[in-house]
Amino acid sequence: ETGVTQTPRHLVMGMTNKKSLKCEQHLGHNAMYWYKQSAKKPLELMFVYNFKEQTENNSVPSRFSPECPNSSHLFLHLHTLQPEDSALYLCASSQAGDFNNEQFFGPGTRLTVL
Amino acid sequence: AQTVTQSQPEMSVQEAETVTLSCTYDTSESDYYLFWYKQPPSRQMILVIRQEAYKQQNATENRFSVNFQKAAKSFSLKISDSQLGDAAMYFCAYIRPSGSEKLVFGKGTKLTVNP
Repeated sequence: ETGVTQTPRHLVMGMTNKKSLKCEQHLGHNAMYWYKQSAKKPLELMFVYNFKEQTENNSVPSRFSPECPNSSHLFLHLHTLQPEDSALYLCASSQAGDFNNEQFFGPGTRLTVL
Repeated sequence: AQTVTQSQPEMSVQEAETVTLSCTYDTSESDYYLFWYKQPPSRQMILVIRQEAYKQQNATENRFSVNFQKAAKSFSLKISDSQLGDAAMYFCAYIRPSGSEKLVFGKGTKLTVNP
């Protein structure tokens, strides 16, 4: 595996379900991100982790719970979601502190909440 | 708060022609970085080109170049000799070296390349 991988690629869940999205980066980076991409809206940064520590929570509802056990893995735990949470969830990684460095994105998880 | 505006939701270009995608941003900072990202229909976002605000020279990457106008807060992307593989969503993005790794994106421009 190379780059940034995300699983699952597609997820359909009911509003009462609990599920988790997984992201793994194989680039040796130390910063990881969750973004939400909805139709006709800019990408919304949700969370930022630097060296496993959360440094940004962009007013995300508590039904989204991130976890970063190490610099290579990032999870997004989902529970009691709403239909408006349906979107493409993108994970990215970069080298922390190097603001000119690009963020490498995963292919995303297409989430549908019924 | 910083904002990035892409005023063209959709653009189209003939193969081999040149197209320019517009981007403006709002910031009070003097030091920052700007990026253009491409998201093809397969959805994996990739970096096209980047520009440091302190550099006056416009960045160029093969067929891709930017027109960076710092005073006007404008950062347009020019694609020369357009190819079918250039068809994608293009996102303009901004980041300031403040200690927060917060990349701010525009809404994107969907580029169609006609054969």
